[in-house]
Amino acid sequence: DVKVTQSSRYLVKRTGEKVFLECVQDMDHENMFWYRQDPGLGLRLIYFSYDVKMKEKGDIPEGYSVSREKKERFSLILESASTNQTSMYLCASSSEGGGRGNGNSPLHFGNGTRLTVT
Amino acid sequence: GNSVTQMEGPVTLSEEAFLTINCTYTATGYPSLFWYVQYPGEGLQLLLKATKADDKGSNKGFEATYRKETTSFHLEKGSVQVSDSAVYFCALDNAGNMLTFGGGTRLMVKP
Repeated sequence: DVKVTQSSRYLVKRTGEKVFLECVQDMDHENMFWYRQDPGLGLRLIYFSYDVKMKEKGDIPEGYSVSREKKERFSLILESASTNQTSMYLCASSSEGGGRGNGNSPLHFGNGTRLTVT
Repeated sequence: GNSVTQMEGPVTLSEEAFLTINCTYTATGYPSLFWYVQYPGEGLQLLLKATKADDKGSNKGFEATYRKETTSFHLEKGSVQVSDSAVYFCALDNAGNMLTFGGGTRLMVKP
C-alpha cells in the first residue's frame, strides 16, 4: 500500500513564525499536492508538483511556498504564519505523470497536520 | 469553471438505515467523478469512481451513478453501519485538471 506520511499531527505556532510542513511518500509517485481542509469549504489546493524541483500554484497559493528537492518529499512553507492559516493541511500523491489525480490514478492522502496559529 | 455541491451535514442515521448523500456538479466537457471518504483521524481515501455517463461506481456496499442529464453523482448505501461514520467528499476531475472537491458531508450512524 502507498504510504503518505506527514511529519506532524498537531502544530501550534505563533503569528509571524516561519512554519515547515513535511510530507514523504514511499511509492515513487510523480505528483504531490498540498491541500487545506476547512469546514464547509472542502479541500482547496494550495500547490502541487509533478516532478522534482517543479511546482505550480493551486487555487489558494497566497502566503505559502513549497519545495520539492527529492521525488519522495514535498514541503509546504508558511513564510510568516497568520491566524487565518489555522487549518488542517493534507498532503497527497498520485502516480500518473502529468495526470493530476484523475480517474486513472487516485490521490493517496496523508493523515493531515492540524496547524493552529495563535 | 468547475464546481461541486454537496448536501450539508451532518447526516444522522440509525444503523441499517438507507443512505443518500446528494452531489451535483458544474463542469464543461465530460469529467470523471469520485467519492472520497475520510474516517476520523485519517486522510481521505478513494471510495468509488465513475469516468463516463451512466457508469456506476461501487465499493463496500456504496454506489453512485454518473447522471449527465442531471449533472449528479449521488452516493447511496442500502444499510449503513456504525463503522460508516465519516466525512464523505464528492469530487470531479475535468480533462486532467486538478480535482475539485465538494464541501464534504459528515455522516453519523448511531447503533
